[in-house]
Amino acid sequence: DAKTTQPPSMDCAEGRAANLPCNHSTISGNEYVYWYRQIHSQGPQYIIHGLKNNETNEMASLIITEDRKSSTLILPHATLRDTAVYYCIVRETGTASKLTFGTGTRLQVTL
Amino acid sequence: EPEVTQTPSHQVTQMGQEVILRCVPISNHLYFYWYRQILGQKVEFLVSFYNNEISEKSEIFDDQFSVERPDGSNFTLKIRSTKLEDSAMYFCASSLRLSSSTDTQYFGPGTRLTVL
Repeated sequence: DAKTTQPPSMDCAEGRAANLPCNHSTISGNEYVYWYRQIHSQGPQYIIHGLKNNETNEMASLIITEDRKSSTLILPHATLRDTAVYYCIVRETGTASKLTFGTGTRLQVTL
Repeated sequence: EPEVTQTPSHQVTQMGQEVILRCVPISNHLYFYWYRQILGQKVEFLVSFYNNEISEKSEIFDDQFSVERPDGSNFTLKIRSTKLEDSAMYFCASSLRLSSSTDTQYFGPGTRLTVL
């Protein structure tokens, strides 16, 4: 079972920042937080991942709380093309471990 | 930018028939995976593969399923005798995994399997 909790849906106005929360209160020290998204029935698309420091790339920023029990994915300027299901996944390092997907957050970006 | 490719995009088959789903992982990647997603449900892990061996498999991956890397580029999933409940999107993924920081899995676009 997924070790994360996410709201089932969120709305965001185009051009605004989308802040997607994720709770992972049982995360252990060797587990990374990964974010993927899935647009319609396409293959999951990797967004970003982190261990304990905040991370930023060309797609998004990832803010992880100091206790690592929760994180927030930030899409700084959401567009209609960002409408998708966003998955927060906790994954153990050290092995080629599987990704365990939950139900994610359905983000709807509107005009 | 390198990407995982999958063929065919849509496969229709009769119940009981064998199907082979094909994937071309990113060229320098070492770890390969299959996942599936039944319509309206979660993405589920099936199997991981490294160094010509299965690393891990789920309960779904029973004797009807097999995987193979027949050459240096392709990675295949075979379903020997398809059932109606095998109808799903099947996603291939690959990762480089030289270290924990390069362990990101990249997914292909999927093959939609319809069993009639």
